[in-house]
Amino acid sequence: DAGVIQSPRHEVTEMGQEVTLRCKPISGHDYLFWYRQTMMRGLELLIYFNNNVPIDDSGMPEDRFSAKMPNASFSTLKIQPSEPRDSAVYFCASRVHQETQYFGPGTRLLVL
Amino acid sequence: AQSVTQLDSQVPVFEEAPVELRCNYSSSVSVYLFWYVQYPNQGLQLLLKYLSGSTLVESINGFEAEFNKSQTSFHLRKPSVHISDTAEYFCAVTKAAGNKLTFGGGTRVLVKP
Repeated sequence: DAGVIQSPRHEVTEMGQEVTLRCKPISGHDYLFWYRQTMMRGLELLIYFNNNVPIDDSGMPEDRFSAKMPNASFSTLKIQPSEPRDSAVYFCASRVHQETQYFGPGTRLLVL
Repeated sequence: AQSVTQLDSQVPVFEEAPVELRCNYSSSVSVYLFWYVQYPNQGLQLLLKYLSGSTLVESINGFEAEFNKSQTSFHLRKPSVHISDTAEYFCAVTKAAGNKLTFGGGTRVLVKP
């Protein structure tokens, strides 16, 4: 199994630009999670989906952030417009039923 | 809601010495507990987990953790560390059969030769 796949691995953009992060979960997994990791705030859950439906988005910082899961094998996290304080590592994780969450390698985002 | 406190942000240790990483949690309901490891520039990997049953759980690479309900702790130990154990370790908690993992702040382990 290829594991959770995230792209791009690194992204550098300028303030005000739109950023789209992508995630392909492990095949057969019915839960997908988006996390953000920063030095100041540690690991935070942003949103999670079950069977492609958003269940809890209470961790999404503000309206500039949005996430979609159009099908079982693809999810996006979009930031529009981006700001320097959005600089972080964004992780996607997936799992099946009540089992362990498997994390992707992360996308390192730098907003200048 | 659950919360996790990792008491040590950094732990330097010499190779072949023992290490203990402390984790305390807070919850009003039954919980599942996890330890994840993050190597430099990589994602998190599950090290071990406690769901139920025996309070002592072990990983394949020599780590163990003990669930102590009365002390609300889930400390991680290894009797003899290797250079390759240099990483950041995260304790996490979720309510039993829940979906949302809450992570501690992480403990950086630096193994010195």
